[in-house]
Amino acid sequence: DTGVSQNPRHKITKRGQNVTFRCDPISEHNRLYWYRQTLGQGPEFLTYFQNEAQLEKSRLLSDRFSAERPKGSFSTLEIQRTEQGDSAMYLCASSLGGTQDTQYFGPGTRLTVL
Amino acid sequence: SQQGEEDPQALSIQEGENATMNCSYKTSINNLQWYRQNSGRGLVHLILIRSNEREKHSGRLRVTLDTSKKSSSLLITASRAADTASYFCATDGSNYQLIWGAGTKLIIKP
Repeated sequence: DTGVSQNPRHKITKRGQNVTFRCDPISEHNRLYWYRQTLGQGPEFLTYFQNEAQLEKSRLLSDRFSAERPKGSFSTLEIQRTEQGDSAMYLCASSLGGTQDTQYFGPGTRLTVL
Repeated sequence: SQQGEEDPQALSIQEGENATMNCSYKTSINNLQWYRQNSGRGLVHLILIRSNEREKHSGRLRVTLDTSKKSSSLLITASRAADTASYFCATDGSNYQLIWGAGTKLIIKP
């Protein structure tokens, strides 16, 4: 399967714990995006990488959220000190680049904070 | 903040009928995209229309774009049960991010 993959698919954690999600983009794609989606809403942009450079992170929801893409391949999204309001689907997408740039999405990681 | 608004929020039609969904957005765009989301497959890209295009077709899908009204429509012809899903429009924002509406939930009744 050469699509975008995300792990884990589901994560249940207790409030206050840290969680980390992984995204493996399509191999030749140099752009990688993280979105959050809550029930009944469209995805909400969080952050974006061009290769290993994080070019936009102002939309990360708080300083508890951080993302990395250390070698320009896979990426991780970490949430520290989780809160119940962090419960959502976290989506990763990748794209090849260019002005009309289709983003291909992974299946998402559903986070439940108890 | 969400850029687009889809209309209607929910649509239920008989299999074989056509389904039309609308999207309105707020700021100028370079392109607009439509995606489908169902629980089994996540978000799937359907079609991209550029700001200088007025209509685009892909199989049973027809998308129109009216930049003067800041609106787009997605028409699915001869609907099938497998078309049951939520449909989202997304516009391009800064840094290549996509800005999304809340989606239209489409149900195709057999």
